[in-house]
Amino acid sequence: EVQLVESGGGLVQPGRSMKLSCAASGFTFSNYGMAWVRQAPTKGLEWVATISYDGSSTYYRDSVKGRFTISRDNAKSTLYLQMNSLRSEDTATYYCTRGTSWNAYWGQGTLVTVSS
Amino acid sequence: DVVMTQTPVSLSVSLGGQVSISCRSSQSLVHNNGNTYLSWYLQKPGQSPQLLIYKVSNRFSGISDRFSGSGSGTDFTLKISRVEPDDLGVYYCGQGTQYPYTFGAGTKLELK
Repeated sequence: EVQLVESGGGLVQPGRSMKLSCAASGFTFSNYGMAWVRQAPTKGLEWVATISYDGSSTYYRDSVKGRFTISRDNAKSTLYLQMNSLRSEDTATYYCTRGTSWNAYWGQGTLVTVSS
Repeated sequence: DVVMTQTPVSLSVSLGGQVSISCRSSQSLVHNNGNTYLSWYLQKPGQSPQLLIYKVSNRFSGISDRFSGSGSGTDFTLKISRVEPDDLGVYYCGQGTQYPYTFGAGTKLELK
């Protein structure tokens, strides 16, 4: 069974940093591109970033480019999202997803709240 | 960016009925490789989204054949037949053809 388990969310002050992790199991992690998708409270889905199966290619939405970094450790079957210079508009539930052009599996999400 | 426009915003249906949700993109979703990366998701209340349909009309593993996707280019439709209580929630279309990937605003399916 495919499982994606996010961790690392919580309350953080504006301008500070936070790192999210996603532990994957039930499939060969190194064979799949992965992505982060977020959802602000009561809002719709917003793609954040994608990384290729081997980590050689990464893509970001403009509003997080230069502030967020997606990475992966295939030996640990873990996906990461390093978030720097956080803003109030980054407040959202962040989902780890498997896939690039479509998101086949989703984690339960981790809530990031950016507030002073 | 590719804008995804879903209609209607909300839909009321009787159990056993049939509904259609429209999704239109501001640009063609045909990728250079010939594939069309349009997918559909359902987010049930309090849950994470789940994939229903990928590449316009391919049902994901375990998804009932009551769900069907169709369309091409910029115009796509999700049809749900014989609606069941477990089908209720918010439906999203999403495009994975061109970065930044984008989603529609959602269509809320409720019971009449």
